[in-house]
Amino acid sequence: EVQLLQSGPEIKEPGASVTISCKVSGYNFTDFYVHWVKQAPGKGLEWMGLVDPTDGESDYAERFQGRITISADTSTDTAYMQLSGLRSDDTAVYYCTVALSGWGQGTLVTVSS
Amino acid sequence: DIVLTQTPLSLSVTPGQPASISCRSTQSLLHSDGETHLYWYLQRPGQPPQLLIYEVSSRFSGVPERFSGSGSGTDFTLTISRVEAEDAGTYYCMQGLHLTFGQGTKVEI
Repeated sequence: EVQLLQSGPEIKEPGASVTISCKVSGYNFTDFYVHWVKQAPGKGLEWMGLVDPTDGESDYAERFQGRITISADTSTDTAYMQLSGLRSDDTAVYYCTVALSGWGQGTLVTVSS
Repeated sequence: DIVLTQTPLSLSVTPGQPASISCRSTQSLLHSDGETHLYWYLQRPGQPPQLLIYEVSSRFSGVPERFSGSGSGTDFTLTISRVEAEDAGTYYCMQGLHLTFGQGTKVEI
């Protein structure tokens, strides 16, 4: 069974950075891209980017370019999403997802001074 | 960029009645691999999305038969043949290359 376990909630000040982890199990980590999706409070789902764990290549949505880094560590079967220059509108639940069917439980990031 | 537009944005349904949601894409979702990468998800409050339908019309493992998907090219439909109380939530269509999502359709039972 594919399982994705994300790190816990974060509270950050504006301008700070946050890194969320997503540890996978139940499948070969390099078989699927890991995607990250943002969901602001009461809003819909927004794709942020992906990483190919095979070679670490990443691809990002244009509106996050320059602020986002997605990486993968094959030694621990863990993907990471770092978002910098946090603003109040970055307050959201962030999900990792693989193979279109496996989703993490979500990580709430609150940006507030 | 591909934009997905869902209609309606909200839906109130009586248990046992059918329901359908439309998803229209600004570009054909037929990929060069021969597949059409259109997916449907249900998200209940406080939960991550769960996959219902993949590649337009294939039900994911464990999804009840009352859920079906149809369509081609740019126009797609999710149909629930007889709605049950547990079907309440927000439904999203998604195109599978860069995971573009529709706006979501909130279904109340």
